[in-house]
Amino acid sequence: QKEVEQDPGPLSVPEGAIVSLNCTYSNSAFQYFMWYRQYSRKGPELLMYTYSSGNKEDGRFTAQVDKSSKYISLFIRDSQPSDSATYLCAMKGGSSASKIIFGSGTRLSIRP
Amino acid sequence: EAGVAQSPRYKIIEKRQSVAFWCNPISGHATLYWYQQILGQGPKLLIQFQNNGVVDDSQLPKDRFSAERLKGVDSTLKIQPAKLEDSAVYLCASSLGGTGSQPQHFGDGTRLSIL
Repeated sequence: QKEVEQDPGPLSVPEGAIVSLNCTYSNSAFQYFMWYRQYSRKGPELLMYTYSSGNKEDGRFTAQVDKSSKYISLFIRDSQPSDSATYLCAMKGGSSASKIIFGSGTRLSIRP
Repeated sequence: EAGVAQSPRYKIIEKRQSVAFWCNPISGHATLYWYQQILGQGPKLLIQFQNNGVVDDSQLPKDRFSAERLKGVDSTLKIQPAKLEDSAVYLCASSLGGTGSQPQHFGDGTRLSIL
């Protein structure tokens, strides 16, 4: 079993829809949870960064972390064609020695 | 603020040849990372430097991969000899520190194809 599981998609939704992206994980030591957006032939770009459980909102993006269920989500409201990309979840333990573990990414396409 | 710079952007070599990648992190970032991203997968950490010292190289195939960060700024990653399974994008990232509270910022990577 992988430490971080993410549905690869592809996921295709119409413009303006609410998008829900999810990851599950198995390591209860993870403390930091991230979402990266990666456009084709570009490096990952940090979107959301949260510590421990709870919600965090930034513009059209909301990240949720449920540590009891080992489940994290990213919601995109009023989705735009420019949101079409691969979304990677990532997580890390609390110690300086722990490394970031990435999900395999979900490919998202927003139809105009 | 300038981002993480990497070169070359693309490289095509034959198996058993050698290749080197270069990374210049964001100014002032003490921690530098090299990742390997195989098509359809998330990035996997190869090596982490804190200034010019190695913090974690547990997933670096040391029989063929090497990396250095001699002056605590720029870094090079080398593969010698290359194998077909090394075809991937090699990403460099940097952060202010190595703790979880400091997010990592990525370059656009070097896309390596092995023939």
